[in-house]
Amino acid sequence: QVQLVESGGGVVQPGRSLRLSCAASGFSFRSFSMHWVRQAPGKGLEWVAIISHDEEKIFYGDSVQGRFTVSRDNSNNMLHLQMNNLRAEDTAVYYCAKDPYNYNYMDVWGKGTTVTVSS
Amino acid sequence: EIVLTQSPATLSLSPGEGATLSCGASQSIDSFLAWYQKKPGQTPRLIVYDVSKRASGIPARFSGSGSGTDFSLTISSLEPEDFAVYHCQQYRDWPLTFGPGTKVEI
Repeated sequence: QVQLVESGGGVVQPGRSLRLSCAASGFSFRSFSMHWVRQAPGKGLEWVAIISHDEEKIFYGDSVQGRFTVSRDNSNNMLHLQMNNLRAEDTAVYYCAKDPYNYNYMDVWGKGTTVTVSS
Repeated sequence: EIVLTQSPATLSLSPGEGATLSCGASQSIDSFLAWYQKKPGQTPRLIVYDVSKRASGIPARFSGSGSGTDFSLTISSLEPEDFAVYHCQQYRDWPLTFGPGTKVEI
């Protein structure tokens, strides 16, 4: 079945960088857009980024634009999120999510990986 | 940015009762609206997309409606597993945005 497994979370100091990864299986990864979505403690869901199947379409949420970079490796069914210049407000559970095609919503989600930005 | 608002913030109900959750958009989003269910410590789950289409495996007690700027998710008769937070999401324009959520509690 479709499975998404995030990794790379941890505790990091403000201003530092972290790279998240998402391993996809059970579907034709190269055919689908993928998203990153986060949820800060006690807050709602916040969309972070999208990358289309062919990397032609990449968009970011306003709060991470210019600091985060999404990428994918279709040969290895991997999605990545490079997070630079991290801030305390980036503390959240980060979810990798699959798009049903290029429809811009999320039909399958991973279990998430936790990022804590703290000195 | 399209801002989504949800009401009420919290809905206190009993199993067997019906629930109606509202989602409003700051501008027209046509029919580009999805609903997700989120339980603490669990992964989000797609409930409805394109306003009214149920996702795979979602029971018929869930139904979505609306158009333009006003939308709703109705749960006809609450089951114990339905108590959760529900978020709406628009995909009419960038950036994609979520509503703050409605908590359906016992």
